[in-house]
Amino acid sequence: GAGVSQSPSNKVTEKGKDVELRCDPISGHTALYWYRQSLGQGLEFLIYFQGNSAPDKSGLPSDRFSAERTGGSVSTLTIQRTQQEDSAVYLCASSMSGTTTGELFFGEGSRLTVL
Amino acid sequence: AQSVSQHNHHVILSEAASLELGCNYSYGGTVNLFWYVQYPGQHLQLLLKYFSGDPLVKGIKGFEAEFIKSKFSFNLRKPSVQWSDTAEYFCAVSSGGSYIPTFGRGTSLIVHP
Repeated sequence: GAGVSQSPSNKVTEKGKDVELRCDPISGHTALYWYRQSLGQGLEFLIYFQGNSAPDKSGLPSDRFSAERTGGSVSTLTIQRTQQEDSAVYLCASSMSGTTTGELFFGEGSRLTVL
Repeated sequence: AQSVSQHNHHVILSEAASLELGCNYSYGGTVNLFWYVQYPGQHLQLLLKYFSGDPLVKGIKGFEAEFIKSKFSFNLRKPSVQWSDTAEYFCAVSSGGSYIPTFGRGTSLIVHP
């Protein structure tokens, strides 16, 4: 596609349920990032993929959070046993090669609300 | 760990006013600096970036930013804002060979026509 695609755009779930958020990066982009944006906060880094491997997952806030990337393309962020503090906009971004000077191309985000 | 500070969280201006948004970072080594913008209802997009050369960087829509190494700053400026500049602005820094940009909290800019 022309840009980074994320789904669902909105997700409302009950506390304790599991959720999956999907990211389809720009074709050919090898680097993929997940960030979280909470109300009034900046972008909080979660995890970075280069190809299918995740050399940096230091931002995942707890073991309830996991992510995978298959075929060097689509990525899924999974949150198990959701808590109310997980409510946020989850942003995915991709870049051509993951260089330090590279521009990140962002999706429109998945807004998660945990009741 | 590096950090990025954006001191102005909310800025309200009238059209044609001048704009300066502050951004300071904590890392002392080589840095790459970015400003991203998020217009209402749209995704984040790059406004401008600096990684070497002339410390005065020009971006899209008349924006510019100046890297002042001694002040650890990368402030965003525009001489005359327009209503269409209403958006959220984020400063970001990557450093030390890291591929992970660290973002500031963002500044919400509202421009009244």
